[in-house]
Amino acid sequence: RKEVEQDPGPFNVPEGATVAFNCTYSNSASQSFFWYRQDCRKEPKLLMSVYSSGNEDGRFTAQLNRASQYISLLIRDSKLSDSATYLCVVTGPTGGGNKLTFGTGTQLKVEL
Amino acid sequence: DTEVTQTPKHLVMGMTNKKSLKCEQHMGHRAMYWYKQKAKKPPELMFVYSYEKLSINESVPSRFSPECPNSSLLNLHLHALQPEDSALYLCASSQDWDGPNEKLFFGSGTQLSVL
Repeated sequence: RKEVEQDPGPFNVPEGATVAFNCTYSNSASQSFFWYRQDCRKEPKLLMSVYSSGNEDGRFTAQLNRASQYISLLIRDSKLSDSATYLCVVTGPTGGGNKLTFGTGTQLKVEL
Repeated sequence: DTEVTQTPKHLVMGMTNKKSLKCEQHMGHRAMYWYKQKAKKPPELMFVYSYEKLSINESVPSRFSPECPNSSLLNLHLHALQPEDSALYLCASSQDWDGPNEKLFFGSGTQLSVL
């Protein structure tokens, strides 16, 4: 089983739609959770951290479920500019530091 | 715009060449990283430097040699690479290596092609 798993997609949605991605992780000792966004041929950029209480940033909402070991990202009112690959990132102690593990990414295509 | 600067943006090299990738950050971050990313795959960690010391080497072949001259600079020296080493090489930095909730800031990467 992969440490961090995501549905690769692509998710093709019309502009204005709501779309949700899930990500599961295998290490119950994982400590921190993030969503990164990566445009084609560009570097990953931090979208948001994910907290146990859930957190929202504009049209984006992230949730963490430690019991079931998954995190989610909800995008409301999708824009064409939201088209990208969304990477789930999980960190856990490795005996001397936090090591980030990337999921395989979920591709989103927002269409007119 | 990224605050982590990588040069060159593109590099084509032969299998017998020696080249270096450079990375610079001025955010005062104490941890710097090299990642390798193949098309349609997630970034794979290669090396981590914390306070200018090598903390992690993910069993990377010796044809890749990292160097951290100071807290702001990170180099990756390349020698005798193979065509399968062609990839996007990403540098990243974070405030610290073992702090909670560490966030990575990536450079725009070097697209490397080995002929």
